[in-house]
Amino acid sequence: SYEVTQPPSVSVSPGQTANITCSGEKLATKYISWYQQKPGQSPVLVIYRDDQRPSGIPERLSASNSGHTATLTISGTQPVDEADYYCQAWDASLQVFGGGTKLTVL
Amino acid sequence: DVQLLESGGGSVEPGGSLRLSCEASGFPFSEAWMSWVRQAPGKGLEWVGRIKSKTDGGTTEYAAPVQGRFTVSRDDSKNTVFLQMDRLKTEDTAVYYCATPLGPWLWKFDSWGPGTLVTVSS
Repeated sequence: SYEVTQPPSVSVSPGQTANITCSGEKLATKYISWYQQKPGQSPVLVIYRDDQRPSGIPERLSASNSGHTATLTISGTQPVDEADYYCQAWDASLQVFGGGTKLTVL
Repeated sequence: DVQLLESGGGSVEPGGSLRLSCEASGFPFSEAWMSWVRQAPGKGLEWVGRIKSKTDGGTTEYAAPVQGRFTVSRDDSKNTVFLQMDRLKTEDTAVYYCATPLGPWLWKFDSWGPGTLVTVSS
């Protein structure tokens, strides 16, 4: 079965850039979504179709998908960005979540 | 406003059954592909299953761990999707969310409910 892998944790200082990766075999052939989840809350879609931001999502969140790796980039990271982030890979026959990455802003 | 609201969670013994409901509002439910996603305590998200709209065939798909034990169905007259869970195992303990894409691009979950907790324990 298809699997996607994320680092368990990423730390970043306020104002710096955070990169959260999502790796899988030929991941660029899948569509990638990213979700942000804060403690006790439901996930929120922050990126879809590899690099598209839903309305209301800040421009400091961006993403790319190439080769075997998709990357969520948060520029000028703010304390409010501290959360768990999940990638999700889609194609016509599967959809699978990564294990999640805890982003700590310190 | 788009809203999804799950109900039906609770405690059940291993081998038992439970039926979850998710009532939707604020979007054309009959056209929506509805999914269930779960999250075990302290763990990540896991897609459980999906039902397409009737116009797209109304077919269902399931993740391997629940195939043959869980059934997703819908009642478009009540804007509700269901998750029938049979032969429950302790590892099915999780918060269960319903989720759906909005708009023409289907490979995303724009809207999520608050979730309902299912605990499988003896």
